[in-house]
Amino acid sequence: AQTVTQSQPEMSVQEAETVTLSCTYDTSESDYYLFWYKQPPSRQMILVIRQEAYKQQNATENRFSVNFQKAAKSFSLKISDSQLGDAAMYFCAYFSDKIIFGKGTRLHILP
Amino acid sequence: GAVVSQHPSRVICKSGTSVKIECRSLDFQATTMFWYRQFPKQSLMLMATSNEGSKATYEQGVEKDKFLINHASLTLSTLTVTSAHPEDSSFYICSARDPSGSWKTGELFFGEGSRLTVL
Repeated sequence: AQTVTQSQPEMSVQEAETVTLSCTYDTSESDYYLFWYKQPPSRQMILVIRQEAYKQQNATENRFSVNFQKAAKSFSLKISDSQLGDAAMYFCAYFSDKIIFGKGTRLHILP
Repeated sequence: GAVVSQHPSRVICKSGTSVKIECRSLDFQATTMFWYRQFPKQSLMLMATSNEGSKATYEQGVEKDKFLINHASLTLSTLTVTSAHPEDSSFYICSARDPSGSWKTGELFFGEGSRLTVL
C-alpha cells in the first residue's frame, strides 16, 4: 500500500526567509503524481504545486518549488520569501488511482 | 477555475438521525469523486472512491452501511451518514476529478468541506 510520511508536525520561519518542508512516500507504482496542498483555517484545500513522477525536472510555481528525488522517494517543498499568508497546514499527497495524504506540517510565519 | 461545492457547510443533528452531504461539480463532469474525513488537527483520511453509475469503493475500516455513497450523476455525489452518533462528528471533504483536465489522471478539485456535529 502507498504511504506518505511528513516527519515535521510543525515548523516556523521568519517572514521573508526560506523554509523547506519534507515528505517521503512509498509506492511500487512507476506512474503517479505528487502534490503539496495548503489548508488555511478556512479548511479549504488549495493546490500549491504538483509533480508528475515521469518528469525529472522539479516543478516550480512562483515562490514554491519542489525537490523531487524519485529514487529516494522524496518530495520536499521549498517556500522562498515566506509571507504571513503562507501560514497554514501543508499536506503532501500521492495520487495514482486515489489520493493519499501525509499527516501534515503546520507552518508558522514569524513577523 | 473549476469549482466543487459541498452542502451543507455545517450541520448539527441528533444522535440516531441520518444526515446527507452533497458534493457537486459545478462546471465539469466528474467521473470520480472522493470522500474524506478529517478529525481536528489531523490529516484527510480517504473514506471511499465514488464512480458515477457504479458502487463506491470503500477503504478498509470504513463501514459502507454507515456511510452510504451515491454517485447518481456526473455532477453529484452524496454521502449519507446513517444513524449518526457523536463519534461520527467530523469534518467531511469531497474532491472531484475532472477527466478533461490536462493531466493524464485529470484535475482534482476539493469542496469546501462539511462540518458534522452529532449531539
